[in-house]
Amino acid sequence: NAGVTQTPKFRVLKTGQSMTLLCAQDMNHEYMYWYRQDPGMGLRLIHYSVGEGTTAKGEVPDGYNVSRLKKQNFLLGLESAAPSQTSVYFCASSPVRQGIQFFGPGTRLTVL
Amino acid sequence: AQSVTQLGSHVSVSEGALVLLRCNYSSSVPPYLFWYVQYPNQGLQLLLKYTSAATLVKGINGFEAEFKKSETSFHLTKPSAHMSDAAEYFCAVTDYSSASKIIFGSGTRLSIRP
Repeated sequence: NAGVTQTPKFRVLKTGQSMTLLCAQDMNHEYMYWYRQDPGMGLRLIHYSVGEGTTAKGEVPDGYNVSRLKKQNFLLGLESAAPSQTSVYFCASSPVRQGIQFFGPGTRLTVL
Repeated sequence: AQSVTQLGSHVSVSEGALVLLRCNYSSSVPPYLFWYVQYPNQGLQLLLKYTSAATLVKGINGFEAEFKKSETSFHLTKPSAHMSDAAEYFCAVTDYSSASKIIFGSGTRLSIRP
C-alpha cells in the first residue's frame, strides 16, 4: 500500500515549456486535490476532484489544468510555465467529504 | 468564506518545555478543525481532528488541542517538547461553502532548542 505518490519529485522548466504532474493513490479515495505551497502562504488549493471524471477550480487555478480520467489518478498540467509557478506541489486524497486528507511527498518545480 | 489565522510564523522552545501553537478560525458554525504536521521535505500528515464530539482532542506524538467556541480558537499544545517535534504545523478548517475543501493556515515553524 503506497498511499499517495507523486511523479516527478523534482523538475526544472524554462519559461513557456509545458509539463504534467502525476498523482496516484491506491486507497480507492473519491476526492483528490492539488495544492501549491509557497513560503509564508501555507497551502493553496489549485484544483480538486470529487470523483472520477469530475474537476473543480480551487483558490488559484489560473495557468493550470487537471484531469481525472481514472479514479486513482489526478493529473496537473502546466501548458506554458511561468516563473510565478515555481513552487512545491502537493497532491492529496480523501475518502469522504470533510474527511482527513492524505498527502503525497510533493514535487519541487522550478521555472527559469 | 472561512479563514484560519495562525499567530506566529516561527516558535522556538527549549527541549522539555511546553509547546503552544495558536490557531483562530472565523466561522459562525463550529466547523471541522484539523492540525497537520510537515517534517522537512515531506508531505503533510494529520496530527488530530476536531469533529464536535469533545472539545479536547488528543492526537499523535503527545499533542492535543482544545476547541473553544467563545474564542473561535483551536490551539495546539504539548506538555514537553522533544527534538523530534521540530517541524512546520498547519491549522486547517473545513470550508462550508464547499464541504469537499479544507482551508489551511499559513503555518508555524516550530524549532526546539537543546
